Amino acid sequence: EVQLVESGEGLVQPGSSMKLSCVASGFTFSNYGMNWIRQAPKKGLEWIALIYYDSSSKYYADSVKGRFTISRDNSKNTLYLEMNSLRSEDTAMYYCAKSAYYGYNYFDYWGQGVMVTVSS
Amino acid sequence: DIQMTQSPASLSASLGETVTIECRASEDIYNGLAWYQQKPGKSPQLLIYNANSLHTGVPSRFSGSGSGTQYSLKINSLQSEDVASYFCQQYYNYPLTFGSGTKLEIK
Repeated sequence: EVQLVESGEGLVQPGSSMKLSCVASGFTFSNYGMNWIRQAPKKGLEWIALIYYDSSSKYYADSVKGRFTISRDNSKNTLYLEMNSLRSEDTAMYYCAKSAYYGYNYFDYWGQGVMVTVSS
Repeated sequence: DIQMTQSPASLSASLGETVTIECRASEDIYNGLAWYQQKPGKSPQLLIYNANSLHTGVPSRFSGSGSGTQYSLKINSLQSEDVASYFCQQYYNYPLTFGSGTKLEIK
């Protein structure tokens, strides 16, 4: 059974940093691209970052480019999102999600999500 | 960026009815479209990929169609467990983008 379990939830002040983790199980993690997607309270879904299976390529939404960094450790089956210079508009539920296949970046499995609140 | 325009924003229908949700892309996305269902308080779940392929375990009352810039999700014989928000997503090009969502309620 595929499982994605995020951690790192919390309340932080504007301008600060935070790191999220997502531990994967039930599939060969090193074979698949992985993503972070967020959802502000009562809002829609926003894809924010993707990393290839081998970390050779990374893509970001303009809203987080230069502030957030996606990374992975295939030896630990873990995906990360380092978030710097956090703003109030970054307040959201953050989901990690698995890309279905190389070149087909729809999301066939999602984690339960972690809440990030940016507020003074 | 490819904009995804989803309609309607909300929908109320009776049990057993058939409902259709539309998604229009700002350019041709060559069937690179997925649909997701998100129940209240839960993570989204994949329903349809490649515009018309049913994900494993999804009931056959869900179906997808379309091509080019116009796509739709149809739910036949609406059930109470279908109360949820539905989102389309294009994966033809970066950045990956979602529609704004459709909230489905039972009348």
